[in-house]
Amino acid sequence: EAGVAQSPRYKIIEKRQSVAFWCNPISGHATLYWYQQILGQGPKLLIQFQNNGVVDDSQLPKDRFSAERLKGVDSTLKIQPAKLEDSAVYLCASSFVGTGVHEQYFGPGTRLTVT
Amino acid sequence: GESVGLHLPTLSVQEGDNSIINCAYSNSASDYFIWYKQESGKGPQFIIDIRSNMDKRQGQRVTVLLNKTVKHLSLQIAATQPGDSAVYFCAATPMDTGRRALTFGSGTRLQVQP
Repeated sequence: EAGVAQSPRYKIIEKRQSVAFWCNPISGHATLYWYQQILGQGPKLLIQFQNNGVVDDSQLPKDRFSAERLKGVDSTLKIQPAKLEDSAVYLCASSFVGTGVHEQYFGPGTRLTVT
Repeated sequence: GESVGLHLPTLSVQEGDNSIINCAYSNSASDYFIWYKQESGKGPQFIIDIRSNMDKRQGQRVTVLLNKTVKHLSLQIAATQPGDSAVYFCAATPMDTGRRALTFGSGTRLQVQP
């Protein structure tokens, strides 16, 4: 079974530039999450999708971050304009929606450096 | 909201010894807990989970203990091996809502000395 795919793996941009990350979840997983992991910290949820609808985006900085999952499969996360404090690893995770099933599977992440 | 914290940022053990990593959570509504292992350059990898109606669950070489009274859980790794070296995170979530996002602790780095 293929895992969660993310690209690019690494990205370096200057502050005020824009950047986009892509995620392809495990086939059949209706729920998709984007997390931000700052160095030395645990992942923090940015947004949760159920199919193509947003379940929780309460911690997404909406003035600069946006995310979409138009067809309920792939998702993109965009930052525009980037700030120095956005330097982090952006993790995508997916999970199957089912009774008693809660495990989230993570992709390898995209490491963003903002200079 | 929930906050999750680990007790030690770094734990160093000898190969073959048992390791114990501790975690505390704040929200009594949290009733599902997961331990993840994260190796350098990789995403978190599921190790074991436990629901609040249990106080112990065992996997292969790993055991999770949950004490709801003091809001504490621990991960025990038996016969620690060099491949166990990684950062370990505990995470918590309430199960009975559609918001299944996990609240993660800050992680404990496990270093296994040969």
